Amino acid sequence: EAEVAQSPRYKITEKSQAVAFWCDPISGHATLYWYRQILGQGPELLVQFQDESVVDDSQLPKDRFSAERLKGVDSTLKIQPAELGDSAMYLCASSPWTSGTYEQYFGPGTRLTVT
Amino acid sequence: AQSVTQPDIHITVSEGASLELRCNYSYGATPYLFWYVQSPGQGLQLLLKYFSGDTLVQGIKGFEAEFKRSQSSFNLRKPSVHWSDAAEYFCAVGARVDMRFGAGTRLTVKP
Repeated sequence: EAEVAQSPRYKITEKSQAVAFWCDPISGHATLYWYRQILGQGPELLVQFQDESVVDDSQLPKDRFSAERLKGVDSTLKIQPAELGDSAMYLCASSPWTSGTYEQYFGPGTRLTVT
Repeated sequence: AQSVTQPDIHITVSEGASLELRCNYSYGATPYLFWYVQSPGQGLQLLLKYFSGDTLVQGIKGFEAEFKRSQSSFNLRKPSVHWSDAAEYFCAVGARVDMRFGAGTRLTVKP
């Protein structure tokens, strides 16, 4: 069964450092999402891609966060500089564009700890 | 703006007992509704979804949910809970854009 891949699974970094997360969606899925999930809360959408284009990044803190999906396949989310409040689980999800059902398939997530 | 409310932060049920997790939503049009489950330290897994048609939908692992437009609710149910059902459950509403998740309900199963 196809899965969404994410790496690394865990990352510890010091504040003010740069950190990057990688996501490989299910093959053929045109829509890709990055979420941030703070412990005890639901996922919060950071950015949504349709192929290589950003559809929604209204909740992305653009002063420190950036995301790209250059070839419309895999994606990278970067934080620079990291702050203590960025400690969270970062989830990637993908969805097939043609299904019209908008169900999302999630990866295992990257647990970020900023010290 | 769309929003999702899960009124129960934590629910404890005995193994074999029935379960109902509540979800209320606010959405401008007919919503697409979802329930996801998350085990500790893992990603989310889709349990079931509703788009149109029959308001009672069946999902995986013996779960079902009922869409009630008049109450803006989409409650998740299971007739007999198993110890392996202990997890965090999230209700979500949205469409092509602007998917919103509730804060989640943590389910504990007593032996």
